[in-house]
Amino acid sequence: QKEVEQNSGPLSVPEGAIASLNCTYSDRGSQSFFWYRQYSGKSPELIMFIYSNGDKEDGRFTAQLNKASQYVSLLIRDSQPSDSATYLCAVNLPGNQFYFGTGTSLTVIP
Amino acid sequence: DTEVTQTPKHLVMGMTNKKSLKCEQHMGHRAMYWYKQKAKKPPELMFVYSYEKLSINESVPSRFSPECPNSSLLNLHLHALQPEDSALYLCASSQEPGKSYGYTFGSGTRLTVV
Repeated sequence: QKEVEQNSGPLSVPEGAIASLNCTYSDRGSQSFFWYRQYSGKSPELIMFIYSNGDKEDGRFTAQLNKASQYVSLLIRDSQPSDSATYLCAVNLPGNQFYFGTGTSLTVIP
Repeated sequence: DTEVTQTPKHLVMGMTNKKSLKCEQHMGHRAMYWYKQKAKKPPELMFVYSYEKLSINESVPSRFSPECPNSSLLNLHLHALQPEDSALYLCASSQEPGKSYGYTFGSGTRLTVV
């Protein structure tokens, strides 16, 4: 069983819409959760991290964590073409083990 | 300085060559990592160094040999690689082992084995 699972997409949304990206994880010992954005040929860039159940907002981005259901999501409001990228969910397990999901490819259509 | 610097950015090597990848950070981070990423795949953890000691080796073949000379530097020595080892090699660092506030990634080394 994979530690972290994401829908690989591709996910397409029109410019200005809300993009919703989802991620589930298998280990209930997971401590912290991260969303990275990766443009083609570039290295991953941290967008947000969340530790506690509920929502965390940063500008156009909102991360949502539900530990009981073992999922974490990322909402991108007012999507822009520059948001087109692969979004990687990552989970930090005890013992400093850090696992990435397979990523969701997002395309924002002008 | 909030960057992780990796050199070289691109490397082409033959299967009998010996080369090294270098990674440097001056953020005072005490954990450093090597990841391998193939096209359209997520990064795969290779090695973790915590306080300059190797703490995790994810069953990586011995043709990859990590080294952490000091708290700011991380090397990956390569020897007798195979064409399937061609990938983007990413270095990352984080503030403190076991208490992650997320990684800072370097820009990566694009490795091609011929």
